[in-house]
Amino acid sequence: SQQGEEDPQALSIQEGENATMNCSYKTSINNLQWYRQNSGRGLVHLILIRSNEREKHSGRLRVTLDTSKKSSSLLITASRAADTASYFCATDADNNDMRFGAGTRLTVKP
Amino acid sequence: DAGVIQSPRHEVTEMGQEVTLRCKPISGHNSLFWYRQTMMRGLELLIYFNNNVPIDDSGMPEDRFSAKMPNASFSTLKIQPSEPRDSAVYFCASGFREYEQYFGPGTRLTVT
Repeated sequence: SQQGEEDPQALSIQEGENATMNCSYKTSINNLQWYRQNSGRGLVHLILIRSNEREKHSGRLRVTLDTSKKSSSLLITASRAADTASYFCATDADNNDMRFGAGTRLTVKP
Repeated sequence: DAGVIQSPRHEVTEMGQEVTLRCKPISGHNSLFWYRQTMMRGLELLIYFNNNVPIDDSGMPEDRFSAKMPNASFSTLKIQPSEPRDSAVYFCASGFREYEQYFGPGTRLTVT
């Protein structure tokens, strides 16, 4: 069964705008990871945030983690058409099980 | 490094046939994961290996599925006999257990 659930399921924005995607999960985790998947391709790792971290940055990406609410957010600033993809959160918990959400489909219009 | 290599990239087979998917992980990684992705169920972890040993196969759908990792540079996922509901994209990923995973391009399986 899936652990992470991304919200929204689909997001459409204009180039240059910021995109925010959210992920909620159910059980305690060791870390949470965000992945990107371009249509018909494999997943690419974007960023990992550990359970004792609250915020992490990587280029135009900013990830936050709130373990009390069991939620995370991925912010992409100054979006580009090339950011169009599906974004997944994945949680890594003590039961050694990695769970992915259903993903958010992001469309960035040029 | 060439990244995670999967073969074949596409497989079309008839129901009842045996299907073998192959994966070559990134050299030096000690964990290997098999995932299945469908529109209905999203991305599901099927099984993962740590140091060539299967650690958790609770995601394997049923006995028709089996996975092996005879050495650190090769793994197979076998479906015997295959059924139309097995049609999906199967991803292999490698990494280190507590860190990010690197995914292969996937094998698109169609069972008719």
